[in-house]
Amino acid sequence: DTAVSQTPKYLVTQMGNDKSIKCEQNLGHDTMYWYKQDSKKFLKIMFSYNNKELIINETVPNRFSPKSPDKAHLNLHINSLELGDSAVYFCASSLGTSGGLNTQYFGPGTRLTVL
Amino acid sequence: AQSVTQLDSQVPVFEEAPVELRCNYSSSVSVYLFWYVQYPNQGLQLLLKYLSGSTLVKSINGFEAEFNKSQTSFHLRKPSVHISDTAEYFCAALISSGSARQLTFGSGTQLTVLP
Repeated sequence: DTAVSQTPKYLVTQMGNDKSIKCEQNLGHDTMYWYKQDSKKFLKIMFSYNNKELIINETVPNRFSPKSPDKAHLNLHINSLELGDSAVYFCASSLGTSGGLNTQYFGPGTRLTVL
Repeated sequence: AQSVTQLDSQVPVFEEAPVELRCNYSSSVSVYLFWYVQYPNQGLQLLLKYLSGSTLVKSINGFEAEFNKSQTSFHLRKPSVHISDTAEYFCAALISSGSARQLTFGSGTQLTVLP
């Protein structure tokens, strides 16, 4: 009965590889987000989708491409991984946006390590 | 300048002692403010939020925060902490980004409750 789930929990890979992180929510929410938390625990939004449409796209390298096949899923694909991509990636969801006022529910995170 | 500033990166405190985690925000941001908690190896959970109305907001586990417009602060307090309160605490504010608003987080404060 997990609300927001992410797979995998840990991901270790070599520089230059392409990898994907999956996110699913069973809360019936229509807005989903991806955040990156760096080694200093600084948390920053990367993308936001509402009803499968991109509404927030921060300054993120175009090696990062989110894909939302339906409202319950928002996957993150990363091409040509670099050392600086090592971080914990959090998925979140909310019911609508209401200008950001609606509570966001976070997944457990995916720790990506690029060697 | 940072939009949300958490002055203390680490706060150690003995069990049953009071604690205050400080958060200041830039006057240019909206006054929608949040505190999130991240327990070890877990995602973030909303602790409390200020959107409007009473400047003192409370969580179900004894934390409270007061919105102070003149001091641009939203400090988090608890009169008596438990070992289980040990976690990372993030202050956040809604920031306008184009036509959308997004959560912008402070750098976090690690609260460690000592026996």
